[in-house]
Amino acid sequence: GIQVEQSPPDLILQEGANSTLRCNFSDSVNNLQWFHQNPWGQLINLFYIPSGTKQNGRLSATTVATERYSLLYISSSQTTDSGVYFCAVLNSGAGSYQLTFGKGTKLSVIP
Amino acid sequence: NAGVMQNPRHLVRRRGQEARLRCSPMKGHSHVYWYRQLPEEGLKFMVYLQKENIIDESGMPKERFSAEFPKEGPSILRIQQVVRGDSAAYFCASSPLTPGGYTGYTFGSGTRLTVV
Repeated sequence: GIQVEQSPPDLILQEGANSTLRCNFSDSVNNLQWFHQNPWGQLINLFYIPSGTKQNGRLSATTVATERYSLLYISSSQTTDSGVYFCAVLNSGAGSYQLTFGKGTKLSVIP
Repeated sequence: NAGVMQNPRHLVRRRGQEARLRCSPMKGHSHVYWYRQLPEEGLKFMVYLQKENIIDESGMPKERFSAEFPKEGPSILRIQQVVRGDSAAYFCASSPLTPGGYTGYTFGSGTRLTVV
């Protein structure tokens, strides 16, 4: 099956700093989503981004499908950004619908 | 428009008891997926259902686990004779269309099952 690798596994930031999280995947995909799991365990859908670039406030994401990676940018980080960020992909192919998740990047933003 | 609703949020069961987890998809969504998250891990696919049909249960453990999505009412994930290894967060997701018209999954807040 498709492999999804996220880096770094852990990240500690001072409030106000910027960061880039990376997601590499081993095969062609027709869907990629970024999720934020907050400290209470809720899974928040950040971006649906199979290709191209999207922005939402301080967050933006870019997926280069031909090179099999996606990046999530967090600017001017806040303590509320803390949690685990997951990348999940849907493998291309007829009838495919199982999302494959990476192991996540655990982000801690300190005041 | 309410999101994907899961209940209960937290469930504690003693070893050997049954656990029933409920999921109501978003309005207009007829495809439901269950995922399990073990501690310190990402989510893993369990089962995909449409109304009254199990489409793919390849991620379900062979024994004690079952799922249904009846014509009326929520989808139910049922775990019989729970063991400590079943302790995990169980997430439900829904989508409006099969892949091809796909716009992404919406997940519920999850049910955290603790087996004592």
